[in-house]
Amino acid sequence: DTGVSQDPRHKITKRGQNVTFRCDPISEHNRLYWYRQTLGQGPEFLTYFQNEAQLEKSRLLSDRFSAERPKGSFSTLEIQRTEQGDSAMYLCASAPVGRGASTEGKLFFGSGTQLSVL
Amino acid sequence: GDSVTQMEGPVTLSEEAFLTINCTYTATGYPSLFWYVQYPGEGLQLLLKATKADDKGSNKGFEATYRKETTSFHLEKGSVQVSDSAVYFCALILSGFQKLVFGTGTRLLVSP
Repeated sequence: DTGVSQDPRHKITKRGQNVTFRCDPISEHNRLYWYRQTLGQGPEFLTYFQNEAQLEKSRLLSDRFSAERPKGSFSTLEIQRTEQGDSAMYLCASAPVGRGASTEGKLFFGSGTQLSVL
Repeated sequence: GDSVTQMEGPVTLSEEAFLTINCTYTATGYPSLFWYVQYPGEGLQLLLKATKADDKGSNKGFEATYRKETTSFHLEKGSVQVSDSAVYFCALILSGFQKLVFGTGTRLLVSP
């Protein structure tokens, strides 16, 4: 168990550019989540995958954001035409197969990708 | 909507002091409640959870009791250590949903 891995750790980009982040979950976990965290705030939910299916998306996820998990393993989050307001820490988390209350909400988080849009 | 409110930090304590970090919630249903911790340079980790009223979650000397009547889930520890210095997040999830709703976090600084 190597934990949830995110790449890159830091990304600096200019406004208007596209960026893509990668998340490798814990290998046996079928649930994968993306969150966004700005300074002084708690993580905010963006989207959720069960295997390769994207089952839930937040209203925060504008049309410029797209997430994929093509083979039910790693996931990518792409932001097109970045804006300064996109600057944040982007967190990925994974979880094993749900078994009711015992596993509900028990997520394993990566260290995040810090995005700075200049 | 569903939300979590935490006391603002930083909370600054000396080693072996008693810790309380307040957390209250608003939810449309009956949530499960969580405390997550983020140590410097690391990802968030689940510290403890409680799934129904009057449940007490505990781990590493930390405790929190699910109080439905006061919609609270305060985190306590009887004697903090320097290694407890971190940011603590209170969170909730509604049964059957996948979205964890987090509070803003409370930074704890423990000095020797």
